[in-house]
Amino acid sequence: QVQLVESGGGVVQPGRSLRLSCEASGFTFSSYGMQWVRQAPGKGLEWVALIWYDGSNKYYADSVEGRFTISRDNSKNTLYLQMNSLRAEDTALYYCARGPLELDFWGQGTLVTVSS
Amino acid sequence: QSVLTQPPSVSAAPGQKVTISCSGSSSNIGYNYVSWYQQVPGTAPKLLIYDNNKRPSGIPDRFSGSRSGTSATLGITGLQTGDEADYYCGTWDSSLSAGVFGGGTKLTVL
Repeated sequence: QVQLVESGGGVVQPGRSLRLSCEASGFTFSSYGMQWVRQAPGKGLEWVALIWYDGSNKYYADSVEGRFTISRDNSKNTLYLQMNSLRAEDTALYYCARGPLELDFWGQGTLVTVSS
Repeated sequence: QSVLTQPPSVSAAPGQKVTISCSGSSSNIGYNYVSWYQQVPGTAPKLLIYDNNKRPSGIPDRFSGSRSGTSATLGITGLQTGDEADYYCGTWDSSLSAGVFGGGTKLTVL
């Protein structure tokens, strides 16, 4: 069965960096586009980034462009999100999800808290 | 301010029908497929509808989707207490080159 397991979240000070990982299993990872979606406490879903199945194209929300980098290692079935220059407003539960368009499988999320 | 506009809340009695609207523009809903997601509090979102009106395996036919112009609608019939959740529409915006979601609609089954 399809499984997506995020890790790497935690408490970090403003301006610092964090790298999230999403380990995939149960499907051919290298055949699917993957995305990151976040949800601030008590708020709605916010799209963060998309990477094509082969890593050839990447897209970002304006709110994270230039600070976050999405990447993948198809040999390790793992998706990443490198987050730099973190701000208080980046505090959220970060989900990885499968799909270049509709998101048909989601992980359980990893919580990132940006606070001094 | 979300790119896609949804009503904050809807409610109906068990057994009744409810619809949730999602309004966008020609660069998102008017041009790309719409998906709908259900999120029960404390859990990850789940795909309910994709390609405007298709249901993934395991989603009952009580859930339906439609699109007309720059708006989309999620319909739920035979409401059950277990349908209480937040519902989100989502699609791609070709002008922004970004994914977009609606602000979410909280469904209460009275």
